Amino acid sequence: AQTVTQSQPEMSVQEAETVTLSCTYDTSESDYYLFWYKQPPSRQMILVIRQEAYKQQNATENRFSVNFQKAAKSFSLKISDSQLGDAAMYFCAVQGGSEKLVFGKGTKLTVNP
Amino acid sequence: DGGITQSPKYLFRKEGQNVTLSCEQNLNHDAMYWYRQDPGQGLRLIYYSQIVNDFQKGDIAEGYSVSREKKESFPLTVTSAQKNPTAFYLCASSTIREVSNQPQHFGDGTRLSIL
Repeated sequence: AQTVTQSQPEMSVQEAETVTLSCTYDTSESDYYLFWYKQPPSRQMILVIRQEAYKQQNATENRFSVNFQKAAKSFSLKISDSQLGDAAMYFCAVQGGSEKLVFGKGTKLTVNP
Repeated sequence: DGGITQSPKYLFRKEGQNVTLSCEQNLNHDAMYWYRQDPGQGLRLIYYSQIVNDFQKGDIAEGYSVSREKKESFPLTVTSAQKNPTAFYLCASSTIREVSNQPQHFGDGTRLSIL
């Protein structure tokens, strides 16, 4: 079975500063993928970034980057130059082999002007 | 533009009533999924389908039913057996070629409440 733990129910950051959201996971699959999804108040789930476990290089998408520590089964999301539009729930998820996509319980990010 | 359309946006159910949530996609995706989202619970998988006329139970299938008669459509019925249906329901789709590599695309969701 796969599990995802997001230990920070809520986080806040000042506009233009950097924030890191934590995620740890567990899977018995050797080949798996990790995702961060954003859910703004509109409730639509939006893919932010994804990481293939076999790649050592951390994924980056504009202001969003991950710190993937495979041995520690850690997959944190860093948001640089935070903007008001980044305020949302952020979900970490893992999917391996024929396993289903499993989500964490989410972290609510508040961006203060 | 390609995407996933869920309807209605809001739905109310009376006691003992079955209701059906619609999900349509024009992304030509083979796989479709239904999730339930409760406060503080994240997303939990109800049912999924990887091919027409076939579907599998997810983690919380009791009280729900689905059909997959067309590739584009994957409606979810919340039956009267589901005693706590109030939640936000999200439909998603993805390709099944290299399943793990393809992210799921989500609809805008349906909020279901009991009258």
